[in-house]
Amino acid sequence: DAKTTQPNSMESNEEEPVHLPCNHSTISGTDYIHWYRQLPSQGPEYVIHGLTSNVNNRMASLAIAEDRKSSTLILHRATLRDAAVYYCILRATLDSNYQLIWGAGTKLIIKP
Amino acid sequence: DAGVIQSPRHEVTEMGQEVTLRCKPISGHDYLFWYRQTMMRGLELLIYFNNNVPIDDSGMPEDRFSAKMPNASFSTLKIQPSEPRDSAVYFCASSGDSFNEKLFFGSGTQLSVL
Repeated sequence: DAKTTQPNSMESNEEEPVHLPCNHSTISGTDYIHWYRQLPSQGPEYVIHGLTSNVNNRMASLAIAEDRKSSTLILHRATLRDAAVYYCILRATLDSNYQLIWGAGTKLIIKP
Repeated sequence: DAGVIQSPRHEVTEMGQEVTLRCKPISGHDYLFWYRQTMMRGLELLIYFNNNVPIDDSGMPEDRFSAKMPNASFSTLKIQPSEPRDSAVYFCASSGDSFNEKLFFGSGTQLSVL
């Protein structure tokens, strides 16, 4: 099964950009890269996803390496409300059924 | 849409009792997932359904756990009998049917088995 590797935790200052890395060296050609985040006492929420090209939305940007073995979630201007655990996930097929394989996540700490 | 709705939000029970967790997915979603989250093991997929049919239940810990989806708008996860090690937050999530679809999670049920 394709797996992801993320740092356990990262710190950043408020109002500065944050780059959260994820390695997925065993990714296959049809696996989408998804990012979710989980705020304290809440369920995970969707942030962004992509396949090959870089993606932008109102929450973040996703930069995908050319060989797709790694990706980076970019928060352009972190706020205290962005403090959460960020999960990098591959949405893959396994025998024609969909799988969502979760990594351990990165705990993002925002310093005021 | 109100999103994925789970009930109850909190459940405290005694060892040996039956526990039933409930989930209403987002209307029109084809997939429904049950996850369990603990500090030690993180997020674990227990089972998922496609069009009300269980597809993969390999994550269900043991026979004490069972899940049903009698229709497209309702699913249950039952633990009978419950044990203290079942204490965790249980999440339900739903999504549409494609690689491009995102998961929507409910607020979770905090289960404490004493």
